[in-house]
Amino acid sequence: NAGVTQTPKFQVLKTGQSMTLQCAQDMNHNSMYWYRQDPGMGLRLIYYSASEGTTDKGEVPNGYNVSRLNKREFSLRLESAAPSQTSVYFCASSEALRNFFGQGTRLTVV
Amino acid sequence: GENVEQHPSTLSVQEGDSAVIKCTYSDSASNYFPWYKQELGKRPQLIIDIRSNVGEKKDQRIAVTLNKTAKHFSLHITETQPEDSAVYFCAASRNLADSWGKFQFGAGTQVVVTP
Repeated sequence: NAGVTQTPKFQVLKTGQSMTLQCAQDMNHNSMYWYRQDPGMGLRLIYYSASEGTTDKGEVPNGYNVSRLNKREFSLRLESAAPSQTSVYFCASSEALRNFFGQGTRLTVV
Repeated sequence: GENVEQHPSTLSVQEGDSAVIKCTYSDSASNYFPWYKQELGKRPQLIIDIRSNVGEKKDQRIAVTLNKTAKHFSLHITETQPEDSAVYFCAASRNLADSWGKFQFGAGTQVVVTP
């Protein structure tokens, strides 16, 4: 039982490049989330998926897209990376609102 | 939308003393209030949570209190130990259909426990 698994752990992108962050959970949770964490700002919700087949915007969705591929997987895509997207990204799944986080992806855009 | 403010931003305590972190929220419809602990370079982990139908909840050395009238909730850590050193985040959410699972997090409190 791995919980929530994110890949990659680290990534460096050039401005304008695209990439997809992968997230999978094996806890059979319906809800999944993507957050970004910046120094002094806590965790901010980018997108979430209340159940398979649905997605909705969070607090900071601009510049991102998501796909809920199936119940297990929820991916985050940066179509054209910008330096402002340098951050640590966390995926989470939840049961009864209790979030379980992945190990995070540290993304640097240069 | 919801706004959560967390104080203090840093907290230094002597081992064995108590630590208290306070959060205030703006949305009176919020009804779920978790606390997460994040050690350096690690993922946030849920340590305790409270729902709006109770005023206090304890789990060993940690406790959370909720005052819905004043719209604030607090984390209390007693008999602090060096392994309590971490960043602690509060959050608030309401589980209504139009905002299910939309958490607003506080900015975090860096707790340092010195031996």
